[in-house]
Amino acid sequence: KAGVTQTPRYLIKTRGQQVTLSCSPISGHRSVSWYQQTPGQGLQFLFEYFSETQRNKGNFPGRFSGRQFSNSRSEMNVSTLELGDSALYLCASSSTGNSNEKLFFGSGTQLSVL
Amino acid sequence: GNSVTQMEGPVTLSEEAFLTINCTYTATGYPSLFWYVQYPGEGLQLLLKATKADDKGSNKGFEATYRKETTSFHLEKGSVQVSDSAVYFCALGDGGFKTIFGAGTRLFVKA
Repeated sequence: KAGVTQTPRYLIKTRGQQVTLSCSPISGHRSVSWYQQTPGQGLQFLFEYFSETQRNKGNFPGRFSGRQFSNSRSEMNVSTLELGDSALYLCASSSTGNSNEKLFFGSGTQLSVL
Repeated sequence: GNSVTQMEGPVTLSEEAFLTINCTYTATGYPSLFWYVQYPGEGLQLLLKATKADDKGSNKGFEATYRKETTSFHLEKGSVQVSDSAVYFCALGDGGFKTIFGAGTRLFVKA
């Protein structure tokens, strides 16, 4: 069974641009969560989607948005990039998204904003 | 609100040393608790979990016990190997649809 796939693996953007990151969950998983990982801050929760509905959102500005498609694949978008958005963005999937479930993580997208 | 606090790293040990990484949490109710590990260049993977008080999670020689009275879930291993070098994250499930992670503790094991 294929794992969680995130594309692209690396991205370099400049301030003010926008970026779209993609995540394909494990087959059969309907919940996708997104996290931002930075040194010293650990993983900060961005949002969680289940069956195309956002059920939970973290404390991030409106520049960060996401969506989920009918095949459970998810994208997140960051508009008007700032230097502080440089981070590893991790996607995780699970069967139902219930918080007592194990999360399966992708390898992440490393975003650098110059 | 719910939160997780874990000891700052890095932690540097010699091979075969005893490992403890402290983790405490703040939560209402009875959250599920997890330890995840991240190897260089990879995403996180579950190491172990516990879902109720006094449960002990274990895997690959690592153990952690859910202590409700001290709101702790410390990670231990009796004899570490070089291959255990990684970043370890303590986490809790908030009872809804969110898993909250600590800041991570980097472990270096020297041969």
